[in-house]
Amino acid sequence: GENVEQHPSTLSVQEGDSAVIKCTYSDSASNYFPWYKQELGKGPQLIIDIRSNVGEKKDQRIAVTLNKTAKHFSLHITETQPEDSAVYFCAASRGLSGGSNYKLTFGKGTLLTVNP
Amino acid sequence: DAGITQSPRYKITETGRQVTLMCHQTWSHSYMFWYRQDLGHGLRLIYYSAAADITDKGEVPDGYVVSRSKTENFPLTLESATRSQTSVYFCASNKGTSFFTDTQYFGPGTRLTVL
Repeated sequence: GENVEQHPSTLSVQEGDSAVIKCTYSDSASNYFPWYKQELGKGPQLIIDIRSNVGEKKDQRIAVTLNKTAKHFSLHITETQPEDSAVYFCAASRGLSGGSNYKLTFGKGTLLTVNP
Repeated sequence: DAGITQSPRYKITETGRQVTLMCHQTWSHSYMFWYRQDLGHGLRLIYYSAAADITDKGEVPDGYVVSRSKTENFPLTLESATRSQTSVYFCASNKGTSFFTDTQYFGPGTRLTVL
């Protein structure tokens, strides 16, 4: 099955700096890569996603890049703010391909701390 | 728009007791999922359902039972709770209307402690 590795497990940055979180996946049939943000005591919330036919996607201060050949994708947050502090999870999915039934395989998470 | 809700939000039980965690979604999404979240393991899939009366195992199904008699509800039952099932449980749903994965929406979670 799919295996998703996420690094680093913790990341501390100063307010205004950029943060980068990286993930690798093992299943070349995966075609959907979402990123979730989880604040303390809450459920994960989707912040951005990318499909395998696209190399990069941006949404204001957040961007995701995908390298299908190397099987890795990254989350970039620019101009970080204290409210960006949370746990971030990457995930991968095949969609319906191969009977996958939209199942997501998650990385183990990155605790991002933005220091004022 | 209520979205996806879970109950109870917190539960303390004893080893050997049966516990049922409830999940309800108001979107009529076809797919629903149960995950557990443990430190060092991230989110792991327990069971999922493609539609009413269709369920299947995920990565860590042992000790859990699910049912889905109605599209909007997907209860998770621990038939005889063990300490290793102490965790935070999340329910999620997905429209399931296209070949590609839609956004998977998560509930607020249930924190379960088994003494």
